[in-house]
Amino acid sequence: SAVISQKPSRDICQRGTSLTIQCQVDSQVTMMFWYRQQPGQSLTLIATANQGSEATYESGFVIDKFPISRPNLTFSTLTVSNMSPEDSSIYLCSGRQGLNTEAFFGQGTRLTVV
Amino acid sequence: GQNIDQPTEMTATEGAIVQINCTYQTSGFNGLFWYQQHAGEAPTFLSYNVLDGLEEKGRFSSFLSRSKGYSYLLLKELQMKDSASYLCAAGSGNTGKLIFGQGTTLQVKP
Repeated sequence: SAVISQKPSRDICQRGTSLTIQCQVDSQVTMMFWYRQQPGQSLTLIATANQGSEATYESGFVIDKFPISRPNLTFSTLTVSNMSPEDSSIYLCSGRQGLNTEAFFGQGTRLTVV
Repeated sequence: GQNIDQPTEMTATEGAIVQINCTYQTSGFNGLFWYQQHAGEAPTFLSYNVLDGLEEKGRFSSFLSRSKGYSYLLLKELQMKDSASYLCAAGSGNTGKLIFGQGTTLQVKP
């Protein structure tokens, strides 16, 4: 499977600020997704990043809080806006080549909001 | 709705066999995935089932029954390094998204 480079790997941010996380894939992928993982919890899907159009958000997540870009088939960004301590979590991007293939993940961004 | 259930924790002995069960209820189901995740690391892919039956890959096997909404991951000849979280995930719809269960933390003891 392809390799995703995700950055930053970790950050400590002040409440009220915003952080943009980037994911770069080493080859074109059909599908990209963004997940959140709270400490000791499993992965919760935030949204599907659609190439050249607006992302599709899951229930409980909105574009104003988590704007997503996907300008091409190898790159996507997630912004966590107006952060609060409740946003402290690990954020992971994921890619898939097709419905019959596995999803692969970036190394994650560990975000702490103080 | 979407619902995926798996046990929260399991403990097993080195060298033994352990079976981790997963039940799912997902709209537009198109496959069942198992991932392994060590603390502080990203999930890594273990297995994929789309048809009923058993898929074997070395020490790991995975089973799927679509009619029962049930899967299991079987780990043989357990090693200490198998201590990790095991995540069951169902493919949902034609967008390619995966819905994850809460994960099973497996502790392998000597």
